[in-house]
Amino acid sequence: DAGVIQSPRHEVTEMGQEVTLRCKPISGHDYLFWYRQTMMRGLELLIYFNNNVPIDDSGMPEDRFSAKMPNASFSTLKIQPSEPRDSAVYFCASSFSGLSGNEQFFGPGTRLTVL
Amino acid sequence: KQEVTQIPAALSVPEGENLVLNCSFTDSAIYNLQWFRQDPGKGLTSLLLIQSSQREQTSGRLNASLDKSSGRSTLYIAASQPGDSATYLCAVNSGNTPLVFGKGTRLSVIA
Repeated sequence: DAGVIQSPRHEVTEMGQEVTLRCKPISGHDYLFWYRQTMMRGLELLIYFNNNVPIDDSGMPEDRFSAKMPNASFSTLKIQPSEPRDSAVYFCASSFSGLSGNEQFFGPGTRLTVL
Repeated sequence: KQEVTQIPAALSVPEGENLVLNCSFTDSAIYNLQWFRQDPGKGLTSLLLIQSSQREQTSGRLNASLDKSSGRSTLYIAASQPGDSATYLCAVNSGNTPLVFGKGTRLSVIA
């Protein structure tokens, strides 16, 4: 398996623009997680899905953030409009029946810079 | 609310030294604990997962221990090498909630 795939790897955009980050989880995994990592706050969970259904989005910072999982092999995280404070590395992770025992596998991340 | 703390935040050791990284958590009612490695500009790589019923797990030169009652885990790295230089993160699974991460320990192994 190719592991968790994220695109793009790097994104530079201007304040106010819409940003869409993409994730393909490992085939067969039923949980998908979106995280954000910054130097100040470390790794923060934004939202997670189980069988394509959002379970907990309490970590989503504002209404500017939204996430979808239209099928088991694809998820998007959208920021609209983007702001400089959104600059961070965004990670997607997946696991199989993941919450109570199985390992999470992380993608390489998308480094977002909002100017 | 579960909180995970890693001390020290950074550590520098000479090559060949054995070292211990520490992780503590506030709620001992956990299902498992996972240690990750993160290289600069990269994602997280899972190193070891310890179930709550286990006391330790080993993989090569790495050994992770878990003491649930005291809310502590350690990652022992034997005979450290420059290639071990990375940030090591500890994460706790408390059941029907996602992982809670510490902020990591940044390790530098000097040749």
